[in-house]
Amino acid sequence: NAGVTQTPKFRVLKTGQSMTLLCAQDMNHEYMYWYRQDPGMGLRLIHYSVGEGTTAKGEVPDGYNVSRLKKQNFLLGLESAAPSQTSVYFCASQRLAGPSASSYEQYFGPGTRLTVT
Amino acid sequence: AQSVSQHNHHVILSEAASLELGCNYSYGGTVNLFWYVQYPGQHLQLLLKYFSGDPLVKGIKGFEAEFIKSKFSFNLRKPSVQWSDTAEYFCAVTPYGNNRLAFGKGNQVVVIP
Repeated sequence: NAGVTQTPKFRVLKTGQSMTLLCAQDMNHEYMYWYRQDPGMGLRLIHYSVGEGTTAKGEVPDGYNVSRLKKQNFLLGLESAAPSQTSVYFCASQRLAGPSASSYEQYFGPGTRLTVT
Repeated sequence: AQSVSQHNHHVILSEAASLELGCNYSYGGTVNLFWYVQYPGQHLQLLLKYFSGDPLVKGIKGFEAEFIKSKFSFNLRKPSVQWSDTAEYFCAVTPYGNNRLAFGKGNQVVVIP
């Protein structure tokens, strides 16, 4: 299993450009998440999805959109990039909680380093 | 909203020293607790987790953590660190059945050979 993969690994954008980050998982997980990591800020949740066709806002959703058309993929879009969106973006997935466990750990992808100039 | 506090953001240790990283959270109900580690240039990996039962949890690479409910704490410990433990460590909390993690700001740990 590849686990959680992210495309691309690095990207440089000019202010105002758009792009889409792709996250894919092969573990058949229901939940998927997008985080951004900034120095001294930890990880902050941007958007998440509890299943195919559903998305929800996290802690810092402004300037981002997401889509979950297939269970294994979760896309993060920046419609008009700003320098404040320079960050490392991590995708994560998690198994659906059930009777045997109230929650499970999240599995993280390798990250996308985005620079907006 | 719940919050997670990690103190002493930068920690510098010599090899064989003991390490303790504090984590406190603000949520009052039942929680699930995690410690993740991020080695330089890598993604986050799970070190250990607590859901219920014995409040002293053992994880990978000799790490352990103790859940103290009355103090809303989940401190991470390792008796003797190695150079390879140089990494950033994140505490994370989710309310029971929530599945959304709240992360602390992390502890940057540097172990000097």
